[in-house]
Amino acid sequence: GENVEQHPSTLSVQEGDSAVIKCTYSDSASNYFPWYKQELGKRPQLIIDIRSNVGEKKDQRIAVTLNKTAKHFSLHITETQPEDSAVYFCAASYILTGGGNKLTFGTGTQLKVEL
Amino acid sequence: DTGVSQDPRHKITKRGQNVTFRCDPISEHNRLYWYRQTLGQGPEFLTYFQNEAQLEKSRLLSDRFSAERPKGSFSTLEIQRTEQGDSAMYLCASSLDRNTGELFFGEGSRLTVL
Repeated sequence: GENVEQHPSTLSVQEGDSAVIKCTYSDSASNYFPWYKQELGKRPQLIIDIRSNVGEKKDQRIAVTLNKTAKHFSLHITETQPEDSAVYFCAASYILTGGGNKLTFGTGTQLKVEL
Repeated sequence: DTGVSQDPRHKITKRGQNVTFRCDPISEHNRLYWYRQTLGQGPEFLTYFQNEAQLEKSRLLSDRFSAERPKGSFSTLEIQRTEQGDSAMYLCASSLDRNTGELFFGEGSRLTVL
C-alpha cells in the first residue's frame, strides 16, 4: 500500500519568514496530493491540493510543488503569520472502487510561527 | 452549520464495553469515510461507503469494528469489547465529486478506553 513520509515533524519560524514542509510517497499510482491544516482540537481542513498532471499550484501565500519522477511534493508558506500555527498533514491518494479517494496521510508537521 | 457532524464528541468507557459513534455527512455527499487518528499521527483510513454500500475496509478494522450506512445518509461505527488500544479520535469525512477529491472532515469523536 501507499506510504507517505513527512518532514520535519516540527518547524519553528519567525513571523514573516517562509516555511517549507516536504513529503514523499511510494505508490506511483497516486495522483492526488492534498494538504490539510489541523488546529488543536479541530477538524482537518483542506488548504491546497495538486493533481499529478500539474507541477505547481499557488493560492495567495500558499504553494505546492510536485515532482512525480522523484515522488515528492512540498508545501510552501510565505510571509507566515501567527494564525498559520497548526499541524499540517500531507496526503496521497488513489481512486477506490466506486470513485472514492483513499487518503494516506503523513505524520504531520507542527508549525509554530513566533512573533 | 451544514458541515459533517459527529456524535458524541467525547466518550469515556471501560475496557470490554461496546461503543457506537454516529456521523451525519454533508447532505448531498454520497461518499462517506471513517478515519482514526491517534496523538501525534495523521488520520488512518478505516472504511469507505458509497451511498449505502461499504466498498472498502482497512486491515486496521478488526472484527470488533463494524460500520453501517443503512440508508445512504448517516453512518454508525461500532466498536465491540473495547480495548485500551482503541483509544483515539475517530474522524468521519464525506465527499461528493471524485474529480474534486476534497474530503470534508467532522470534528471527530474522541474515545478513551480505561
